[in-house]
Amino acid sequence: DTEVTQTPKHLVMGMTNKKSLKCEQHMGHRAMYWYKQKAKKPPELMFVYSYEKLSINESVPSRFSPECPNSSLLNLHLHALQPEDSALYLCASSHQPTAASGRASRNEQFFGPGTRLTVL
Amino acid sequence: DQQVKQNSPSLSVQEGRISILNCDYTNSMFDYFLWYKKYPAEGPTFLISISSIKDKNEDGRFTVFLNKSAKHLSLHIVPSQPGDSAVYFCAARGAQKLVFGQGTRLTINP
Repeated sequence: DTEVTQTPKHLVMGMTNKKSLKCEQHMGHRAMYWYKQKAKKPPELMFVYSYEKLSINESVPSRFSPECPNSSLLNLHLHALQPEDSALYLCASSHQPTAASGRASRNEQFFGPGTRLTVL
Repeated sequence: DQQVKQNSPSLSVQEGRISILNCDYTNSMFDYFLWYKKYPAEGPTFLISISSIKDKNEDGRFTVFLNKSAKHLSLHIVPSQPGDSAVYFCAARGAQKLVFGQGTRLTINP
């Protein structure tokens, strides 16, 4: 299994809803990432989990809450979102955390197809 | 402050010719560079990478060139095929994360 899967593919939610995005990989990768991508922009890093521990939070508002239940799963819990949070949410994984040393090829990140989120 | 820049938002190339996508960076601490390809409604797909200790890496139709002194890298696709039409992102490895460029939309014309 060489892919990262994400569910749902599309999600429409109101500003008072609570929903969750899910990401799964079975490649034995020990680092997992959440990115947000707006139209015609590059992916923007939100969170990094390294060996199931949160290692980077890029000053993301608390209405986004990540969770890593085990080494294969990554969730993103959403609550009280704003319309400007509408975007494509991408999950990625890599063998090891992306760091400035070590075997570079094991830091390549593999992306899932994304969840297209619309907040009304 | 954008550390990785792709100055051409779009590029059109005729099928069979060479496509050259460019990327510039400002941070000399970046030590590894990657190219990703993205189709609409899909996640980015890893294409090819290069370590900062090399100046060229080739994989089939794809070659990445790195000029460290100019802080510039390029992706060459030859021959270009219709299926290569996509958005291409270059990315650089920094401290614990990848930094992405803005992307270049490549269109291959028949």
